[in-house]
Amino acid sequence: AQSVTQLDSQVPVFEEAPVELRCNYSSSVSVYLFWYVQYPNQGLQLLLKYLSGSTLVKGINGFEAEFNKSQTSFHLRKPSVHISDTAEYFCAVSDRGGSNYKLTFGKGTLLTVNP
Amino acid sequence: KAGVTQTPRYLIKTRGQQVTLSCSPISGHRSVSWYQQTPGQGLQFLFEYFSETQRNKGNFPGRFSGRQFSNSRSEMNVSTLELGDSALYLCASSQQGGGGGEQYFGPGTRLTVT
Repeated sequence: AQSVTQLDSQVPVFEEAPVELRCNYSSSVSVYLFWYVQYPNQGLQLLLKYLSGSTLVKGINGFEAEFNKSQTSFHLRKPSVHISDTAEYFCAVSDRGGSNYKLTFGKGTLLTVNP
Repeated sequence: KAGVTQTPRYLIKTRGQQVTLSCSPISGHRSVSWYQQTPGQGLQFLFEYFSETQRNKGNFPGRFSGRQFSNSRSEMNVSTLELGDSALYLCASSQQGGGGGEQYFGPGTRLTVT
């Protein structure tokens, strides 16, 4: 079984400040890791994913995340946020192998960027 | 390329009724997954279809069912609706499915059960 814990349900920041959204996971098998963003009244959009290789992954809109296997973490960062980054962010995992074709999501972190 | 479309976008039903939601994947995508999103439980996997076959199923009662057609379009059916079924139902498509493939999400269908 897999689980994903997003350590902060809400993160308020000021515009142009850096932000880190934290994600830890638990799994008995190797996983792929994802970050999705959801704007109000919309579906989810993929920000970035870690499949293999470099543990630092760059995504869209200036976001990046670092995979830390020993700490089973995949924190999302952005050096300078904009008002338009206000949204809910979801960390997710899926199995590397087998036939388990599903994403397991965390509960989400609401990022609010204030002027 | 058109994105994932879901119809209807909003739906209001009464307890005990049944409902069918539709999802049209991105052209060329053969895998369709369904998720339920609620404030309390978050995003939960319902099931995934690939080439008209259900490959994986989440922990939902048998009232929740789905199917996929030869053109990859998928429908989800919920019978004997309960108040707790009120949620945003999201559909996602990908080319092959599988753990590392990117899933493209539709805007969702907001179901309200009264």
